[in-house]
Amino acid sequence: DAKTTQPPSMDCAEGRAANLPCNHSTISGNEYVYWYRQIHSQGPQYIIHGLKNNETNEMASLIITEDRKSSTLILPHATLRDTAVYYCIVGSLKKTSYDKVIFGPGTSLSVIP
Amino acid sequence: SAVISQKPSRDICQRGTSLTIQCQVDSQVTMMFWYRQQPGQSLTLIATANQGSEATYESGFVIDKFPISRPNLTFSTLTVSNMSPEDSSIYLCSAEGRFTDTQYFGPGTRLTVL
Repeated sequence: DAKTTQPPSMDCAEGRAANLPCNHSTISGNEYVYWYRQIHSQGPQYIIHGLKNNETNEMASLIITEDRKSSTLILPHATLRDTAVYYCIVGSLKKTSYDKVIFGPGTSLSVIP
Repeated sequence: SAVISQKPSRDICQRGTSLTIQCQVDSQVTMMFWYRQQPGQSLTLIATANQGSEATYESGFVIDKFPISRPNLTFSTLTVSNMSPEDSSIYLCSAEGRFTDTQYFGPGTRLTVL
């Protein structure tokens, strides 16, 4: 079973921030939080990942709570091209401590004009 | 990031036949994986492709049905054997990023079995 729970679907107005939550209450100390998205008929696209600290890149920001039991992916200015299924994944993809990735059902984000 | 290509991008096959899917990565990677995504579902890991040795299969997947090869650090194949309509899925290859702690995915192969 996936180690995460996400809402099955969300809507967001174009131009507004999209905040996608993820619960991972059983996360262990060496496990990362990864976010991927899958646009229809394409392979999953890596977005961002983090361990403890908040992270930001050109695509998104990742906010991880202090107890690491939940996180939020933030798309600061959602566009129609951000409509996709977003997967929150917990595990370790480091070369030295690989743990298989388990994909849950994800959140289907619809960005509305 | 690793750039991953797959061939074919899609195929329609007859029941009882086999299809081999190729996965090519643009740089050497340590780990390569094969996933299946059935219609309307999330991704399921089939196996880890090990270079120079037998693949490591997940529960519910067997080598006779999904033989995998990985002759070098940048190439792998997945064969879907003795296909049935239940094998109609998207098959995805992924590889570990060479300098990052994450996986990158190919575009997928959409298989339809009649």
